[in-house]
Amino acid sequence: GENVEQHPSTLSVQEGDSAVIKCTYSDSASNYFPWYKQELGKRPQLIIDIRSNVGEKKDQRIAVTLNKTAKHFSLHITETQPEDSAVYFCAASPDKLIFGTGTRLQVFP
Amino acid sequence: GAGVSQTPSNKVTEKGKYVELRCDPISGHTALYWYRQSLGQGPEFLIYFQGTGAADDSGLPNDRFFAVRPEGSVSTLKIQRTERGDSAVYLCASSLSGRSNTEAFFGQGTRLTVV
Repeated sequence: GENVEQHPSTLSVQEGDSAVIKCTYSDSASNYFPWYKQELGKRPQLIIDIRSNVGEKKDQRIAVTLNKTAKHFSLHITETQPEDSAVYFCAASPDKLIFGTGTRLQVFP
Repeated sequence: GAGVSQTPSNKVTEKGKYVELRCDPISGHTALYWYRQSLGQGPEFLIYFQGTGAADDSGLPNDRFFAVRPEGSVSTLKIQRTERGDSAVYLCASSLSGRSNTEAFFGQGTRLTVV
């Protein structure tokens, strides 16, 4: 079955800097790669997703890149703000979402 | 409803007891997923339904866990003979279709504590 690895497990950045989170997956049948943000005690919420027919997608300060050959995808957050602080999960889906272990992002003012 | 609803939000039970966790998906969503999330971990897949049938139950840890969705809407996750290791947040999600590339919306979860 699908296996998703996520790095780093924690990431601390200064407000205004960029943050990058990387994931790798194992199942070449995966064709959907969403990213979820989870604040403490709350439900995961989708922030951006990418499908296998594109290599990059951008939404304001957030972008995702996908390399299907290497089976890895990344989340890029530019101009980070304190409210970006949360745990971020990547996921890959051949038929159901398989999640990475999460990255705790802290943005310091 | 406006979103995925899970009840109860919190459940404390004694070791060995039986519990039921309920999920009410977004109206019209045919796919429904159950996940388990332990502290500091990502959501762990348990089972997913396409309509009334379990399309994939490969994530259920053992035969103490069972889930149903008899009318293709509300789903119940049932845990028999609970153990302390079952303590976690149980998350339900739904999506519009069973296609793998549609957004999944999560409920707020049920925090299960087995004492």
